[in-house]
Amino acid sequence: QQQVKQSPQSLIVQKGGISIINCAYENTAFDYFPWYQQFPGKGPALLIAIRPDVSEKKEGRFTISFNKSAKQFSLHIMDSQPGDSATYFCAARGGGSQGNLIFGKGTKLSVKP
Amino acid sequence: GAGVSQSPSNKVTEKGKDVELRCDPISGHTALYWYRQSLGQGLEFLIYFQGNSAPDKSGLPSDRFSAERTGGSVSTLTIQRTQQEDSAVYLCASSFNRAYEQYFGPGTRLTVT
Repeated sequence: QQQVKQSPQSLIVQKGGISIINCAYENTAFDYFPWYQQFPGKGPALLIAIRPDVSEKKEGRFTISFNKSAKQFSLHIMDSQPGDSATYFCAARGGGSQGNLIFGKGTKLSVKP
Repeated sequence: GAGVSQSPSNKVTEKGKDVELRCDPISGHTALYWYRQSLGQGLEFLIYFQGNSAPDKSGLPSDRFSAERTGGSVSTLTIQRTQQEDSAVYLCASSFNRAYEQYFGPGTRLTVT
């Protein structure tokens, strides 16, 4: 019940296309859902985040769609660029006093020029 | 401003030796987290400090792992009697408090030979 399941494991998209990464969870106590971007040899960098009372959040080319009833959320990268090639992790934070994030296993995105 | 810093960036040690990994959080951040990232895996929570409260140690994989946070700032993660399965990237993150975004450091790559 503490897991976050992420798919696909890898994704190849043409430049200018839309990249879509999906995550699912079971624990309805989760209260915060961030996405992180990680380049090789670097720490994860916060990309965008959403709380469960919102169905969609957009920042530039990045959009999170959140479906509370289905317990699913997804990251959409519009007009994907080669510079977006990285590993993306979804995560969820437990409610109450729990502070740590529970991460999906990551999606390696390659954007072909 | 300065982000989360970690040292050393790389550490190679022999099986059975003890190691200490250091994390300097962002100034003013009261929450500090340690995660472990094994090759090709997501991030695994280890321990969480929030202000002066007792740390949440629920993610520590064995009693060989311990961490402390001095003066509410710098944290040290200690691994005693290292094993080959401890080889991973150890990541530290900090946040203003539990409810805010977590910012990650670049990590320490630990290799146990």
